[in-house]
Amino acid sequence: SYEVTQPPSVSVSPGQTASITCSGDKLGNKYAYWYQQKAGQSPVLVVYQDNKRPSGIPERFSGSNSGNTATLTISGTQAMDEADYYCQAWDSSTVVFGGGTKLTVL
Amino acid sequence: QVQLVQSGAEVKKPGASVKVSCKASGYTFTSYDINWVRQATGQGLEWMGWMNPNSGNTGYAQKFEGRVTITRDTSISTFYMELSSLLSEDTAVYYCARGLAVAATSTSPRYAYWFDPWGQGTLVTVSS
Repeated sequence: SYEVTQPPSVSVSPGQTASITCSGDKLGNKYAYWYQQKAGQSPVLVVYQDNKRPSGIPERFSGSNSGNTATLTISGTQAMDEADYYCQAWDSSTVVFGGGTKLTVL
Repeated sequence: QVQLVQSGAEVKKPGASVKVSCKASGYTFTSYDINWVRQATGQGLEWMGWMNPNSGNTGYAQKFEGRVTITRDTSISTFYMELSSLLSEDTAVYYCARGLAVAATSTSPRYAYWFDPWGQGTLVTVSS
């Protein structure tokens, strides 16, 4: 079955750029999606179809996907961005989630 | 606005079944799939399955095949997820999430499927 892998944790200083990766075999041939989950809350979509932002998501969130790696980039990271981030892909009628990355802003 | 409102927390004994509801509003009920995703405490997201409310077709993750059933009541715009033969490992928050899809085309050959929005979650505790 298809799998995608994320680093367990990423740290970033306020105002800097955070990059969270999601790796999978030929992931660039599929779309990648990203969800933000703050403590005690439901996941929220922040990027869909590799690089599109839903209405209401700040411009500092962006995405890319090529080769075997999709990347979520948060420019000018703010304290409010501290959360768990999950990538998602679709393969053979099955939804696949990465294990999640805890983003710490310190 | 599009909203998914789930039923309240449940406590079940091992071997029992649980049925969680998800009421949809703010959009045409039959136009979008519903998916169920669970999350054990401190763990990641685990996809369980989907339903097309127009056709009634369903699809389940292999791990849950035979133990999970997704149904709907179109008259009240509500979906249900029933999980049987509960084990302590099934203790988790269960989410419903609307599925959005874009078909592949000759110029854009990748099929697109993602979730937005999500319900507020329902805690299911399995304990003797």
